[in-house]
Amino acid sequence: QKEVEQNSGPLSVPEGAIASLNCTYSDRGSQSFFWYRQYSGKSPELIMSIYSNGDQEDGRFTAQLNKASQYVSLLIRDSQPSDSATYLCAAEVYNTDKLIFGTGTRLQVFP
Amino acid sequence: GAVVSQHPSRVICKSGTSVKIECRSLDFQATTMFWYRQFPKQSLMLMATSNEGSKATYEQGVEKDKFLINHASLTLSTLTVTSAHPEDSSFYICSASPPGGFEQYFGPGTRLTVT
Repeated sequence: QKEVEQNSGPLSVPEGAIASLNCTYSDRGSQSFFWYRQYSGKSPELIMSIYSNGDQEDGRFTAQLNKASQYVSLLIRDSQPSDSATYLCAAEVYNTDKLIFGTGTRLQVFP
Repeated sequence: GAVVSQHPSRVICKSGTSVKIECRSLDFQATTMFWYRQFPKQSLMLMATSNEGSKATYEQGVEKDKFLINHASLTLSTLTVTSAHPEDSSFYICSASPPGGFEQYFGPGTRLTVT
């Protein structure tokens, strides 16, 4: 059974702090990984993609991948109240065109 | 870029009727589209994978005769919920992948309420 695991949270951080979200995956064949943000009542929005070991930065977001440890993380610098949402980690299911999603981590940024 | 639209955004129907939901990729051709269902405070549940010009592939436990999927073109997929019942009330979301990519871009979702 392929799985992506995330801590459900909530993760509470003060405005301006760094939020760190983590995810582990079970499929060693997975090569592509994604982070999605989902506001309450809305659909997921793709915010980061990462395909190779190391860091991938885009603005305030940094995705980190460690394939040996089967671990993906998302750092959000200078967190804002508008970042409060559920963050979904997704991994490619090897040899298919599907993604498997974690259950999401709820992030709360308080002023 | 990578915009996916979905229509309608909200629908209320009576038990026993059918509802059709449209999903369109607006600025790219999507060889593969996906249909998900999400119940409140739960994660996304993949219902089926839809490829243009071929039959959809349904996930285990999803009734293909109840949830009819048609992928008529590279930019349009439809989901028809047939003989809807109150337990089918949920948030239905489609997504699309560009050719050669694994990333999925989601539509805004359709909230279905069956009375």
